[in-house]
Amino acid sequence: AQSVTQLDSHVSVSEGTPVLLRCNYSSSYSPSLFWYVQHPNKGLQLLLKYTSAATLVKGINGFEAEFKKSETSFHLTKPSAHMSDAAEYFCVVSEDGYQKVTFGTGTKLQVIP
Amino acid sequence: DAGVTQSPTHLIKTRGQQVTLRCSPKSGHDTVSWYQQALGQGPQFIFQYYEEEERQRGNFPDRFSGHQFPNYSSELNVNALLLGDSALYLCASSLSKTYRYNEQFFGPGTRLTVL
Repeated sequence: AQSVTQLDSHVSVSEGTPVLLRCNYSSSYSPSLFWYVQHPNKGLQLLLKYTSAATLVKGINGFEAEFKKSETSFHLTKPSAHMSDAAEYFCVVSEDGYQKVTFGTGTKLQVIP
Repeated sequence: DAGVTQSPTHLIKTRGQQVTLRCSPKSGHDTVSWYQQALGQGPQFIFQYYEEEERQRGNFPDRFSGHQFPNYSSELNVNALLLGDSALYLCASSLSKTYRYNEQFFGPGTRLTVL
């Protein structure tokens, strides 16, 4: 069975400071991992994905995430927050060969000017 | 490319009624998945359709059913609506031959309110 835990429901950062959104996963098989962003009243947008190639994955808008198998983590980072980054972020796991995906409960990112 | 489209955008129903939501996948995609996102929660997987058949199903009762048409578009039907069915219903499409990565593209959703 697969599951994902987002460790913070809310994160608040100042504009220009680093962002860290934490995600731990559980999977019986080789997982694919994703981060999606959801802006208010908009659909989910894929930020980045891990598919067993490089463990450090770069995504859109300056975000990146590192897959750490030993820690079963896939934390999302960005060196410098922008006001437009304020949104809800979801960590997602999908087990190899299966179409079913499991979403985390989400982390709301607030960016303070 | 119009991306994933869903209709209607908003819907209000009363308890006990039935509802049908529609989804058109991204051009070239053959797989459609449906999710329920309650307020303040992450999306919950309902089911997935491929080649006009339900391939995977989450923990949702039989009141939730679906259909996929030969053009890959899909419908989600919910019978005997309950207040707890109020949520944003998301449709996502993907290309089956890339199942290993299962990158899904999401529509904007249908907001269902049950009174």
